[in-house]
Formats: sequence, structure tokens, C-alpha cells
Amino acid sequence: EDQVTQSPEALRLQEGESSSLNCSYTVSGLRGLFWYRQDPGKGPEFLFTLYSAGEEKEKERLKATLTKKESFLHITAPKPEDSATYLCAVQAGTGFQKLVFGTGTRLLVSP
Amino acid sequence: DTAVSQTPKYLVTQMGNDKSIKCEQNLGHDTMYWYKQDSKKFLKIMFSYNNKELIINETVPNRFSPKSPDKAHLNLHINSLELGDSAVYFCASSPRRGGHYNEQFFGPGTRLTVL
Repeated sequence: EDQVTQSPEALRLQEGESSSLNCSYTVSGLRGLFWYRQDPGKGPEFLFTLYSAGEEKEKERLKATLTKKESFLHITAPKPEDSATYLCAVQAGTGFQKLVFGTGTRLLVSP
Repeated sequence: DTAVSQTPKYLVTQMGNDKSIKCEQNLGHDTMYWYKQDSKKFLKIMFSYNNKELIINETVPNRFSPKSPDKAHLNLHINSLELGDSAVYFCASSPRRGGHYNEQFFGPGTRLTVL
């Protein structure tokens, strides 16, 4: 069965303190790995898709990387507005675009 | 210019009642989904429709019945509501482009509370 594990469960950073979130996965035939941001009371907001090992994507202070077993979301010099829950999800095998989500990392950035 | 919208945003009801949640997307996507997010924030797929055809049905009690009247709408009807149905339900949609499985865009969610 496809599995996605995210760590840490929660992360507290000072503004400007860079760090990384981890998403490790066990799937049969990865089709895509997705990062989402979710603010309290809102739906997940799409950030990145990664399709193959070695691929990297960047958006403002965020950079996502992918290996054959895990993905990292690097946050450089975070700001308080980066506080949110970050969700990782995978599409695998021949499923019709089914996403399997991890349980997320709650990030809090203090000023 | 809302992309994926859901109604209602909040739904509070008694055990045993029947309720519906509606979803509409104006992105022109072919595929729509229902997800359930539990109290621990774990998001799990329930159903998926592609061009009005059911393509994913993930071990969901048959009290839950999705209906897609057209490509832009996907509704969720729940019969005989139980306490364990309390959760946030998200609708999502995604395009089909080339051979890649594409990103899904989520609605704002419907928080269902069963008393």
C-alpha cells in the first residue's frame, strides 16, 4: 500500500531561520509528488509538482527537491506569513490521479 | 473568479438526517474529487469523477452517494448521518494534460458536524 510520512509533525522557526521539511514515501511506481500549503479553515493550496528524482522547483522562499525515496521542502529565510501546514501527496501506479497524502507539517514562524 | 466553490461552508445536523454538499468548478477541468479531512487533519480521497463517470470509489460506506450532473459539478449526498461523519469535506478538480497526472485544486471545504 502506498504510504507517505512527513516529518517533523510540527516546526517552530524564528523569522529568517531557514529549515527543511521532509516527505518520505513508499509507492509502487511514482507518477508525481505534490506539495500543498493549507491555512487554518481553508482548502489546500497547490505549490509544486515533482515528477522524477533530481527534479527541483522554486517559488519565492520555497524550494522543493525529489529523490527516489523522499522529497524536501526547503524554506529560506521564512517570514511569519509562511506559517501554515505543509502537505505532501503522491500519485502512484495506474490510479486515476488519486492523491495519497501525508499528515502534514505544521510550521510556525515567529517574528 | 472563484475556481472551486462549495456550499454550504458549515453544516450542523442531527444524527440520522440526510444532507447534501454541492461543488462547482469554473476551471474547465475534466476530473473532480471528494476528500474527507478528519480531526487529525488527515486528508483521504473518497470519490473521483472523470467527465461525469465515477472512476474512484474508496471504501466509502454506501450512505455516501456522489452525483455529477455535468463536468463542472460534483455533489455529495449523505444518508443517515452518523457521529463519525463529522469532518471537513473538500472538493477538488484537476485538468488532464498530456501523459502527466496533474495538480488538483481544492475548494474551501465544508465543515460537517453531526450531533
